[in-house]
This record gives sequence, structure tokens and C-alpha cells, in this order.
Amino acid sequence: GDSVTQMEGPVTLSEEAFLTINCTYTATGYPSLFWYVQYPGEGLQLLLKATKADDKGSNKGFEATYRKETTSFHLEKGSVQVSDSAVYFCALSYDTNAGKSTFGDGTTLTVKP
Amino acid sequence: DADVTQTPRNRITKTGKRIMLECSQTKGHDRMYWYRQDPGLGLRLIYYSFDVKDINKGEISDGYSVSRQAQAKFSLSLESAIPNQTALYFCATSPSGGADTQYFGPGTRLTVL
Repeated sequence: GDSVTQMEGPVTLSEEAFLTINCTYTATGYPSLFWYVQYPGEGLQLLLKATKADDKGSNKGFEATYRKETTSFHLEKGSVQVSDSAVYFCALSYDTNAGKSTFGDGTTLTVKP
Repeated sequence: DADVTQTPRNRITKTGKRIMLECSQTKGHDRMYWYRQDPGLGLRLIYYSFDVKDINKGEISDGYSVSRQAQAKFSLSLESAIPNQTALYFCATSPSGGADTQYFGPGTRLTVL
């Protein structure tokens, strides 16, 4: 079956540091890939997505590239801010799977001033 | 106003009690989902609904039931709550289509004593 594996957390960085959160997936087909972010006390919200191989999703300074050859979708940001402190979830979903998504376990990021 | 709302936001109940969690959305989406979030386990799908007449079990439906009262409303019930159902519960919606973004409510924190 499908699965998503994320880098274990928690991750603690200083402000302006470079961020990478690794995500790899196992899929039986060709899914779309997503990063969701969950701020404290809130529900998940879409951060970025990519629908096919070699696509790059980007938003708010975050980027991730759909790498079919390595089955990866790593999240990166060049300079994190304290406001980026949150839990980040990698997920996949298929066009033919009723919109059901498979989520990773989440990675908690804390950014210190 | 929020597009996806959940009530209550917090609930403490006792073992054996029946409890209902409610979800409403103003996004006009056909598809609605219920997830639970446990520390270190990510999100797990409980039930999902394509429309008012179409309800499907997710990966962890035992001990739960749902009702889709209207396109905008999707309720989750615990017929006889038990302590291992203590978790954070999220409702989500998505447009009709396979790999669409999901839009999450703020969550309900349920504690079963």
C-alpha cells in the first residue's frame, strides 16, 4: 500500500537558518504530493503541492520538488522565522482515489530567536 | 468567518457515554472527511463521504459512526466512548476530484476519562 515517511522531529533551528524536512513516499501509481502546515491550536492548511514529476511547489518561501526517481518531496526554506514554528505534514493523494490522502506522521519545527 | 467549523472545540466525557462531534462547511464542497490525530501517528482517516448518499469507512472506523445530514454538515458519533478514543479530531472537505487540496477545520480535542 501507499505510505509517506517523514524525517523524525522535533527539529529546532535558530532564526534565519536553512530548513530541510525530508519526505519520501511509497506509491502504487503517480500521486500528487502535498505539504500541509499545522500552527498551534489550528487545523492543517495547505502549504504547497506538486501534481507531477519534476514539478516544484512553492509558497511563503518554502519549496519542494517532486522527485520521481528518488520518490521524495523534501521541504526547504532558505531562512526560517519564528513564525514558521509549526508541525509540517507530507501527504499524497491520487486522482482516482476519491480524494483520500495518506499523511506522514508530521515533523515539529521550533524556530528560536 | 471560517470555512470549516467544528463543535465543540473541546470536550471531556466519561467512558460509556455517547458523544457527537459536528462539522459544518461553507465551501460548497461535496467531499467531507473525519480524521483523528494522535501524537506520533499523524492523521488517520475514520470516515469519508462523497455526497449526502455516499458514506465510506476509512482505516479506523470501528467504534465510530457518521451522519451526512446535508452537503454542508457531517457529524461523527462515538456510541460508547472509551479512553483510547482520546485524541484530536479533524473534519476536512475537498471539491469533487481526486487529488484535490483538503481544507481542515480547527479540530475538536476529545478526552475520554
